[in-house]
Amino acid sequence: QVQLQESGPGLVKPSQTLSLTCTLSGGSISSGNYHWSWIRQPAGKGLEWIGRTSITEITNYTPSLQTRVTISLDTSKNQFSLRLSSVTAADTAVYYCAREWTHSGFGWFGPWGQGILVTVSS
Amino acid sequence: DIVLTQSPDSLAVSLGERATIDCKSSQTVFYNSNNKNYLAWYQQKPGQPPKLLFYWASNRESGVPDRFSGSGSGTDFTLTISSLQAEDVAVYYCQQYYSIPYTFGQGTKLEIK
Repeated sequence: QVQLQESGPGLVKPSQTLSLTCTLSGGSISSGNYHWSWIRQPAGKGLEWIGRTSITEITNYTPSLQTRVTISLDTSKNQFSLRLSSVTAADTAVYYCAREWTHSGFGWFGPWGQGILVTVSS
Repeated sequence: DIVLTQSPDSLAVSLGERATIDCKSSQTVFYNSNNKNYLAWYQQKPGQPPKLLFYWASNRESGVPDRFSGSGSGTDFTLTISSLQAEDVAVYYCQQYYSIPYTFGQGTKLEIK
């Protein structure tokens, strides 16, 4: 079955760029009517959707992060990635990647990756 | 942005008893064009990612036990566990996919009494 796995540095310095990759196994990132999303969760807190991309390369981002975030797809590697610039301690969180089941342009998430803790600290 | 407010924030229920979690949306998530509610429910156990329970508010995801049910329409939704089992201890979240940005409720922590 489809599985997702996040990878990247677990520690990023303030003002630098956070870069994560999500690798899909058990399926093709190019197939089906899906979007590919990043969601984050600060320790002990709730879930925040960051943004999404799809094979069409149309992206959507949450407004509060829009000026700092880029999500892109690499079909040759069956991966999608997240870049978040100018990070601060407030960006410390577990970052999840997830597949979105898209219907009429919108959808729900499943499966999710296991998550990766990213700490912003000098 | 659509705000989802869950109640209660935490809940303690005895084994075998019913647990009910509410999710209220700041605006409708019902599309007249297809008669569907754009709302999902997730279960998150400690140290794990969220797991999809329901989509379209009441469509149970494959493999989810039938003691779980989802209901509601428009702005008011409910997740019900008819007979609580020990493995149901988790935080539960609702999520709207009616509009971008997608948003989640703040979560409801379910414990055993």
